[in-house]
Amino acid sequence: DAGITQSPRYKITETGRQVTLMCHQTWSHSYMFWYRQDLGHGLRLIYYSAAADITDKGEVPDGYVVSRSKTENFPLTLESATRSQTSVYFCAARGDSYEQYFGPGTRLTVT
Amino acid sequence: GESVGLHLPTLSVQEGDNSIINCAYSNSASDYFIWYKQESGKGPQFIIDIRSNMDKRQGQRVTVLLNKTVKHLSLQIAATQPGDSAVYFCAENAGGTSYGKLTFGQGTILTVHP
Repeated sequence: DAGITQSPRYKITETGRQVTLMCHQTWSHSYMFWYRQDLGHGLRLIYYSAAADITDKGEVPDGYVVSRSKTENFPLTLESATRSQTSVYFCAARGDSYEQYFGPGTRLTVT
Repeated sequence: GESVGLHLPTLSVQEGDNSIINCAYSNSASDYFIWYKQESGKGPQFIIDIRSNMDKRQGQRVTVLLNKTVKHLSLQIAATQPGDSAVYFCAENAGGTSYGKLTFGQGTILTVHP
C-alpha cells in the first residue's frame, strides 16, 4: 500500500543543471499535482494534470516542465535550476473526491 | 488564524486540552474545504473535510466548523495529545472548473506539551 512515492527524497544540484523529480502513484487516480513548499508561502501549485497527456499550469509554473505519458507517473523537470527553486516539492493525487493524497516530498537544494 | 509572512501563527496547549485552529478564506465561491496535518519531514495528511452546504462535521476527536457568512473555518481537536503536534493547513476548492485544485492557507503550528 505505497500510495504515492517520490524520488529522490533529497537532491543537491548546481545552478543551470537540469533535474527531474519523479512521482508515482499505485492507484489510477486521474488528477495529479505538483506543489512547492516554502516558508512564508505555504503550498503553491506548480502544475497539475487531469489525465494522461493533459497538463496545465498552476500558480508558479515558470522554470518547470511536466509530462504525463502514463496515468501513474507525473515527473517534474527543472530545465535549468536556479537558487530560487530550492524548496520542498510535493506530489499529490486525487480520485473522484476533492481530497488530495500527498507523497513524502523531495527536498531540493540548488547551489 | 493564518497570515502571510515568514512567521506562522502558533498555538501552544497542554496535553488533554481542547485545541481550536482558525482559518479565514477569501473566495465566497469555494464549495469544499479540507484540513491537513503536516508533521516534520512528511507530506500533508488528510484530517477532515466539509462541503459548503454544511456548517459542521465531526470525525474522531476532530470537528470542523464552517461559517460562510464571515468566511471562516475552524478545526477543533478534543483532548489534544502530543502526537497532534504538527502544522495544520486549511485548503479550499474554488468550485466550477477548477479541476479540484486546492488553495492552501499558510498553516498554524500546534505544539502540545505533556
